[in-house]
Amino acid sequence: GQQVMQIPQYQHVQEGEDFTTYCNSSTTLSNIQWYKQRPGGHPVFLIQLVKSGEVKKQKRLTFQFGEAKKNSSLHITATQTTDVGTYFCAGRYGNKLVFGAGTILRVKS
Amino acid sequence: SAVISQKPSRDICQRGTSLTIQCQVDSQVTMMFWYRQQPGQSLTLIATANQGSEATYESGFVIDKFPISRPNLTFSTLTVSNMSPEDSSIYLCSAGTGGPGELFFGEGSRLTVL
Repeated sequence: GQQVMQIPQYQHVQEGEDFTTYCNSSTTLSNIQWYKQRPGGHPVFLIQLVKSGEVKKQKRLTFQFGEAKKNSSLHITATQTTDVGTYFCAGRYGNKLVFGAGTILRVKS
Repeated sequence: SAVISQKPSRDICQRGTSLTIQCQVDSQVTMMFWYRQQPGQSLTLIATANQGSEATYESGFVIDKFPISRPNLTFSTLTVSNMSPEDSSIYLCSAGTGGPGELFFGEGSRLTVL
């Protein structure tokens, strides 16, 4: 079935360090989306990537979509305490979104 | 964008009972979905709520256990039937405008079954 693998499961960084989470699908995705969930909150949409090799930036966040449209990454430069939360990738298969396991980010100040 | 209201926000239920969760969207959306999330875990799609017809369930989820209604474009309900402690989870309603667009999520309903 459709499955999106995401690593690492957990990352604890010092404030100011960089952070990256990776997603991989066994099949080609029509698009991939990224969500952030703060502790106790609900997932909130960050961005969507559609094109092969696409790169998008949101301030300190950089999102990439692989050439084969099977993998993606989210990179945060110089993390801040406000970045804490769980970051999920979600691959679109038809009308359905299948979520990765998520990466929990903790930031030490 | 869409604002999604879910209720109840939390409940504690006895084994063997059923609970219905309501989801109301403030604007017309094409797609509505129900997800389940164990604390600290990922989101698992339960089903797609189809307006005026039977929901489309994912593998491992059946209508008898999780009946879903969607009488119009902006409202849906999920019932968790004959509950057991294994059903303790957060249930999330989500909605989208169809196509490849983003999903909006409700705040979730935290269910604890004793």
